[in-house]
Amino acid sequence: DTGVSQNPRHKITKRGQNVTFRCDPISEHNRLYWYRQTLGQGPEFLTYFQNEAQLEKSRLLSDRFSAERPKGSFSTLEIQRTEQGDSAMYLCASSLALADQETQYFGPGTRLLVL
Amino acid sequence: DAKTTQPNSMESNEEEPVHLPCNHSTISGTDYIHWYRQLPSQGPEYVIHGLTSNVNNRMASLAIAEDRKSSTLILHRATLRDAAVYYCILRIEGWDDKIIFGKGTRLHILP
Repeated sequence: DTGVSQNPRHKITKRGQNVTFRCDPISEHNRLYWYRQTLGQGPEFLTYFQNEAQLEKSRLLSDRFSAERPKGSFSTLEIQRTEQGDSAMYLCASSLALADQETQYFGPGTRLLVL
Repeated sequence: DAKTTQPNSMESNEEEPVHLPCNHSTISGTDYIHWYRQLPSQGPEYVIHGLTSNVNNRMASLAIAEDRKSSTLILHRATLRDAAVYYCILRIEGWDDKIIFGKGTRLHILP
């Protein structure tokens, strides 16, 4: 079990540039979540997928953000025209949704700094 | 969503038990009490969860008040590696998908 992996771990970019993050969930997990965390705050939900279907998007996910999970395995989160306010830790989590309990397993996150 | 209230921070000495409180006075009958923790520079990790009865696992114990309006996460013998932010979360079993995190309690362990 390799756990949830995220790449890159750190990203520094200039305002206005596009960035893309990748998340590889635990194999056979059918759900994949994206969260964002700013300093001193708990993670905030952005969006989630069940298999390849994107089932929910938070209002935090502006039009500049897009997430995909094309084959129901890995996922990408793209931010277009980055702004300084996008600087945060972006966390990915995966889970196996069953009838009873669903535990989410988080990756180490991608820390984004927009200059 | 039902809310939880936790102290912003706590301190404890190494190798002593730690009791982390959580208030959830508006909890409903279908809400499970979950705890996650986030070690420095890592993503959150699941610790424990329960509904009504006290629960034990290899990481911690969860003590739930009889009226379910509060609970306590117990680390029986804290180590320096337990220094983290601990989140108390309410989730509806088999229904909730996303996790709604609060600010949690930052636990400092003193050597």
